[in-house]
Amino acid sequence: DAGVIQSPRHEVTEMGQEVTLRCKPISGHDYLFWYRQTMMRGLELLIYFNNNVPIDDSGMPEDRFSAKMPNASFSTLKIQPSEPRDSAVYFCASSFAGAAGYTFGSGTRLTVV
Amino acid sequence: SQQGEEDPQALSIQEGENATMNCSYKTSINNLQWYRQNSGRGLVHLILIRSNEREKHSGRLRVTLDTSKKSSSLLITASRAADTASYFCATPTIYNQGGKLIFGQGTELSVKP
Repeated sequence: DAGVIQSPRHEVTEMGQEVTLRCKPISGHDYLFWYRQTMMRGLELLIYFNNNVPIDDSGMPEDRFSAKMPNASFSTLKIQPSEPRDSAVYFCASSFAGAAGYTFGSGTRLTVV
Repeated sequence: SQQGEEDPQALSIQEGENATMNCSYKTSINNLQWYRQNSGRGLVHLILIRSNEREKHSGRLRVTLDTSKKSSSLLITASRAADTASYFCATPTIYNQGGKLIFGQGTELSVKP
């Protein structure tokens, strides 16, 4: 298995633009998580899905953030419109049967200028 | 809010020495996990210890868990330069709530050759 695959690896965009981050979890994993990492706030859980259904989106900072999981092999995190304070590394992770150990992707480094 | 808090925030040792990192948490848990993050990469799951376990080994890693003190420690023996990374503890937010892990701020370990 190639692991959790995220794209793009790096994204530089201008303030106000729409940004879409993509994630392909490990086949067979039933949980998918989106985290954001910054120096100031560390790793923050944004949202997670179980069997493609959003379970907890309480970490999504604002209505500008949305996430979808249309099927078991694909998820997106969208920011519209983007702001400089959204600059961070966004990680996708997946797991099987809950908190039995996550597999993280390599992350997307987002820079909003 | 942070569930796990690591101590120290940074640790610098010589190759061959042992490295000990500590984690404290606030609520009842059914497991605690340790992850490693190399610079610019995603987190890698190292080890999971369940609440009914007191100690667990994996190669050069030794993890202890004291549920009465709500604390855990990660010991890396005979450290190598390749162990240089940030180490995070992670716990479920609510006992038996599937899937959701909260990460501490991490310990940055530097192993000098």
